Amino acid sequence: GQQLNQSPQSMFIQEGEDVSMNCTSSSIFNTWLWYKQDPGEGPVLLIALYKAGELTSNGRLTAQFGITRKDSFLNISASIPSDVGIYFCAGQVGGGATNKLIFGTGTLLAVQP
Amino acid sequence: DVKVTQSSRYLVKRTGEKVFLECVQDMDHENMFWYRQDPGLGLRLIYFSYDVKMKEKGDIPEGYSVSREKKERFSLILESASTNQTSMYLCASWRVYNSPLHFGNGTRLTVT
Repeated sequence: GQQLNQSPQSMFIQEGEDVSMNCTSSSIFNTWLWYKQDPGEGPVLLIALYKAGELTSNGRLTAQFGITRKDSFLNISASIPSDVGIYFCAGQVGGGATNKLIFGTGTLLAVQP
Repeated sequence: DVKVTQSSRYLVKRTGEKVFLECVQDMDHENMFWYRQDPGLGLRLIYFSYDVKMKEKGDIPEGYSVSREKKERFSLILESASTNQTSMYLCASWRVYNSPLHFGNGTRLTVT
């Protein structure tokens, strides 16, 4: 199946640093979602974006829906050890009841105390 | 909060066994999905359902079937489990319009 280009693949940072990751696609999306997944757990929704240009924050997390509708980024400020995990994006193409989501390949984040 | 519950966190089954993975959601969502997640391959859609008794094949339906007899429940069936079906299985539900996809906690299936 189709996957979104997500970068970077992995990041190894020090506690307190800011983090930025992004997803790009050749397709136009109507929705962008960002998830975090801890080892052995299901993905947990972090932020949902529904309009081009939308900038949304959730605590130390900020995400934006690109104005071209083909990209999105997620920023984490002042990282802490519990931020460790895999982050991935998901985008919805088009609209309709039977639509599926396309997922990014994931960014592995490691935070050193 | 939406809750998507998968009945088992860990399962160990033998090759050839019939396996049922159950998923229940409590938010009256129309759409439900089954994915499998493998290292390096990301999330791959097995089957989805947009209404009771309706099902659509995803990207990798071979070796699987599904059942949606009630709106809140979506079952994934492995008719004859094989070792290449060892994986993390994730159920998800979705209202679709201006709402996010919600995942369950996952079922780690090992087929020996």
